[in-house]
Amino acid sequence: EAGVAQSPRYKIIEKRQSVAFWCNPISGHATLYWYQQILGQGPKLLIQFQNNGVVDDSQLPKDRFSAERLKGVDSTLKIQPAKLEDSAVYLCASSPDMVWNEQFFGPGTRLTVL
Amino acid sequence: QKEVEQDPGPLSVPEGAIVSLNCTYSNSAFQYFMWYRQYSRKGPELLMYTYSSGNKEDGRFTAQVDKSSKYISLFIRDSQPSDSATYLCAMSVQGGSEKLVFGKGTKLTVNP
Repeated sequence: EAGVAQSPRYKIIEKRQSVAFWCNPISGHATLYWYQQILGQGPKLLIQFQNNGVVDDSQLPKDRFSAERLKGVDSTLKIQPAKLEDSAVYLCASSPDMVWNEQFFGPGTRLTVL
Repeated sequence: QKEVEQDPGPLSVPEGAIVSLNCTYSNSAFQYFMWYRQYSRKGPELLMYTYSSGNKEDGRFTAQVDKSSKYISLFIRDSQPSDSATYLCAMSVQGGSEKLVFGKGTKLTVNP
């Protein structure tokens, strides 16, 4: 079974530029999560999708971050414009229908904002 | 006070040692408790999970939850160099849709 795929693995941008991350969850997983993990911190949930609907986006900075999950499969997370404090690893995870103990994480995208 | 507190370490032990990793939490509504292992430049992987209080054992790993003290532990017996990683505790109020709240993680190194 293929795992959660993310791209790119690394991205370096200047502040105020925009950036997008892509995630392909495990086949058949209805729930998809985006987490932000700042160096030395645990992951923080940004947004959770159930199929293509948003379940929780309470911690998503909506003035600059956006996410979509078209057709309930792949997802894209965008930051526009980026700030220095957005430097972090962005992790995507998926689970079969909101099963709390079966979240599988991808390798993450490491973003550096200069 | 943060919802979940975890000593970031680093923790360095010799091979074969018993390792104890701990988290405390402030939200008494947490009922689901998890331990994740994260190798360098990889995503977290679920190691163990428990519901409510008590112990759970899986091979060399034992998870303990003490809800009265708001304290959870992960014990690793006969530690191996391959156990070297960052260990993250996570918890949630309810299963399913409720988001996980993670600790900062403890970086463990097991020296051969």
